[in-house]
Amino acid sequence: EAGVVQSPRYKIIEKKQPVAFWCNPISGHNTLYWYRQNLGQGPELLIRYENEEAVDDSQLPKDRFSAERLKGVDSTLKIQPAELGDSAVYLCASSPLTVNTEAFFGQGTRLTVV
Amino acid sequence: AQSVTQPDIHITVSEGASLELRCNYSYGATPYLFWYVQSPGQGLQLLLKYFSGDTLVQGIKGFEAEFKRSQSSFNLRKPSVHWSDAAEYFCAVGPPEAAGNKLTFGGGTRVLVKP
Repeated sequence: EAGVVQSPRYKIIEKKQPVAFWCNPISGHNTLYWYRQNLGQGPELLIRYENEEAVDDSQLPKDRFSAERLKGVDSTLKIQPAELGDSAVYLCASSPLTVNTEAFFGQGTRLTVV
Repeated sequence: AQSVTQPDIHITVSEGASLELRCNYSYGATPYLFWYVQSPGQGLQLLLKYFSGDTLVQGIKGFEAEFKRSQSSFNLRKPSVHWSDAAEYFCAVGPPEAAGNKLTFGGGTRVLVKP
């Protein structure tokens, strides 16, 4: 069974440029998460989807970040414009929409803003 | 608000020695508890989880963790460390019996293994 797939693995952009990350969750997983992991820290939740609905986006900086999960499968996270402080690893995870389960993580996208 | 504390930022251990990583949490009720491992350039891999029942939980790669409600702790242990265990380890908590898991992570403990 394929795991959570993210692309690209690495991205370097200049500040003020836009950037997008893509995530394909494990087949059948209704819940999808985007986390941001700053250097030397644990991941922090940005947004959580249940199917195509964003049920928790309280930590998403909405002035520059946006996300979508069309058709309740793949998801895209966008930053526009990027700032130096956005340099981090962006992790996508998915889980079934049931209790007593865990989240499965992708390998992440390492973003460097210069 | 929930929080997770991993007091040790770095731990260095000799290969073959035992390892214990500390995790303390603050939560309104007994949460779901997890340990994840992250190797360089990789995503997070689940080592083990605690939902209920036996407070000593066995995981993959020879790891185990013990939930102590009175101490709000969920420490991770391994009796004999291998060089491949060098990685960063994250403790996380999630809301009990919630569909999916909104995880709160600790800051991580980086483990270095000496030959």
